[in-house]
Amino acid sequence: DAKTTQPNSMESNEEEPVHLPCNHSTISGTDYIHWYRQLPSQGPEYVIHGLTSNVNNRMASLAIAEDRKSSTLILHRATLRDAAVYYCILRDVGRSQGNLIFGKGTKLSVKP
Amino acid sequence: EAQVTQNPRYLITVTGKKLTVTCSQNMNHEYMSWYRQDPGLGLRQIYYSMNVEVTDKGDVPEGYKVSRKEKRNFPLILESPSPNQTSLYFCASSLDLRETQYFGPGTRLLVL
Repeated sequence: DAKTTQPNSMESNEEEPVHLPCNHSTISGTDYIHWYRQLPSQGPEYVIHGLTSNVNNRMASLAIAEDRKSSTLILHRATLRDAAVYYCILRDVGRSQGNLIFGKGTKLSVKP
Repeated sequence: EAQVTQNPRYLITVTGKKLTVTCSQNMNHEYMSWYRQDPGLGLRQIYYSMNVEVTDKGDVPEGYKVSRKEKRNFPLILESPSPNQTSLYFCASSLDLRETQYFGPGTRLLVL
C-alpha cells in the first residue's frame, strides 16, 4: 500500500486557518486521498476525500498538488473542537478488504 | 440519528472468559468492519463483512470471531481472551467497501 507522511504534531490559534500537509510520493492513479480525524475519546470520523481536483465541504477543504504527490487539508477557522488527530489515508478503490490503513497522523492542538 | 453503536463501552475481564462486543448500525449499510487501536500501531482491521452471512479476515484476526446474521448487527467474539487483546476496539460501517466509513464510539477492553 502506498504510504503517507504527516508531521507528528501542529499547533494553531483559535479562529485562524490551519493547513495540515500530507506527502504521498508513491501514490498510484487509482488511490483516492481521504482524511479522517479522531477527537479525544471518540472513534474516527470522515472529513473529506478527493482524487485529483480540490474539494470543499462544510468541514474543510482539500488541496491536491498537480502531481498528486502531496495534499493539504485546510480548516478555514480552527475551533477548540477541531483539536484532534488528523489522518491522511490513501484508498485504492480496487482494494478488496475495504479497510482504511491509518498511520500515526498529525495531532492538532488549538489554543484559545 | 444515523449512528453506529457499540456495547459495552468499557469492559474488564479475566483471561479465558468468553465475551462478546456488540455493534449495531441503523443506516442499512452492507459493509461492516472491526478495528483495534493500540499505541504506536494505529488502527488495524480485525474482520470485515461485505453483507449478511459474508465475513472475512482482516489483518489481525487471530483470537477473534465474528458473525453477520442480520444486516444491522456485527458482533465481535473473543472465545478465550488473553492479555494481548487488551485494546480499544472500533466498529465501522459503510454503504459498501468503497464508501465513507462511519465509526462507533469504541469499546475499551482490559484482559487481566
